[in-house]
Amino acid sequence: GQQLNQSPQSMFIQEGEDVSMNCTSSSIFNTWLWYKQDPGEGPVLLIALYKAGELTSNGRLTAQFGITRKDSFLNISASIPSDVGIYFCAGQGGGSNYKLTFGKGTLLTVNP
Amino acid sequence: DTGVSQDPRHKITKRGQNVTFRCDPISEHNRLYWYRQTLGQGPEFLTYFQNEAQLEKSRLLSDRFSAERPKGSFSTLEIQRTEQGDSAMYLCASGAAGGPLGPQYFGPGTRLTVL
Repeated sequence: GQQLNQSPQSMFIQEGEDVSMNCTSSSIFNTWLWYKQDPGEGPVLLIALYKAGELTSNGRLTAQFGITRKDSFLNISASIPSDVGIYFCAGQGGGSNYKLTFGKGTLLTVNP
Repeated sequence: DTGVSQDPRHKITKRGQNVTFRCDPISEHNRLYWYRQTLGQGPEFLTYFQNEAQLEKSRLLSDRFSAERPKGSFSTLEIQRTEQGDSAMYLCASGAAGGPLGPQYFGPGTRLTVL
């Protein structure tokens, strides 16, 4: 089945630094999504990407859908303490395959 | 706020008992999904409804699991004869009608602990 490799597994940064994380897949996806999850809560959608090569921003967040359709990255600029959490990438195969396949997450810690 | 809601938020049960969780999707969404998340992992797909029709089920959904969405609105997920391995966060998500590529919006989850 489809597998997503998300890296890094965890990051410890200082407030104000930029952050980059990425996901790679063994298979092609038609949609890439990035979510943030706080402890004990459900994932919250950050950015959705629908076209290969697409670059989309949401405030300090920028994400790109890789040209090969097998990868995506998420950048966070000028990190702040509330950016702390687990970030997940998720791919959707498209067509009749509606399910999301998630990576294992990147745990982000921001030191004030 | 009319986001996805789930009830209960936490459930502690003894092995062998049956449990039922409820999900209320965003009101105009006709697509509803159930996922399971264990510690240190991303959510894993369980099942998908479009309106009241259950269109896809994962192999993770054993015979002890059943999901319904009788009127195409809220959904229930029942686990019979719970086992300790069923302990996890059960997440519900909903998506809008239209093309298949729309994003999925998650509820806060139900944390199940089986003793």
